[in-house]
Amino acid sequence: GQQLNQSPQSMFIQEGEDVSMNCTSSSIFNTWLWYKQDPGEGPVLLIALYKAGELTSNGRLTAQFGITRKDSFLNISASIPSDVGIYFCAGRVPPLQGGKLIFGQGTELSVKP
Amino acid sequence: DAGVTQSPTHLIKTRGQQVTLRCSPKSGHDTVSWYQQALGQGPQFIFQYYEEEERQRGNFPDRFSGHQFPNYSSELNVNALLLGDSALYLCASSLRGIGTEAFFGQGTRLTVV
Repeated sequence: GQQLNQSPQSMFIQEGEDVSMNCTSSSIFNTWLWYKQDPGEGPVLLIALYKAGELTSNGRLTAQFGITRKDSFLNISASIPSDVGIYFCAGRVPPLQGGKLIFGQGTELSVKP
Repeated sequence: DAGVTQSPTHLIKTRGQQVTLRCSPKSGHDTVSWYQQALGQGPQFIFQYYEEEERQRGNFPDRFSGHQFPNYSSELNVNALLLGDSALYLCASSLRGIGTEAFFGQGTRLTVV
């Protein structure tokens, strides 16, 4: 079945540092999404990518949809303590196949003030 | 504009019992998807409802069933609960046929004892 490999599994960084995480898949996706989840809460959408090669920013966050449509990365610049949480990538299968989301295993980010 | 709302937020059930979880989609959305998130894992797709019918199903047994009502709200039912069913159950809503992204509720934390 379709799987996403997300790395790294966890990161411990100093406030102000930049962060990079990525997802790879053996399958092609039409859409890549990045979510952040705080403890006890549902995932919150950060960035959505719709085209291969697309580079999109949302404040200090930048994400790219890989050219092969099988990978994506998320960068966070100048991290702050409120960036702490678990970040998930998700690929969406084509609408004709139901449009469900396939999630990565998550990257747990810890930021030291 | 209310987002996706789920109830209850927490639930404790005994092995073998049955449970019903509820979800109201974001205003304007007509599609509801349910996900199971075990501790330390990414969400796993259970099934999706559109026009009151199950449209797509993930790799979950028949003990997991659902329903969508004319107002687009949805229920997830789990019969014969197992200890392994303990998880955060997430509801996501979207607008079918258009590239709107899935917005998640805060989830229902189910504990089976």
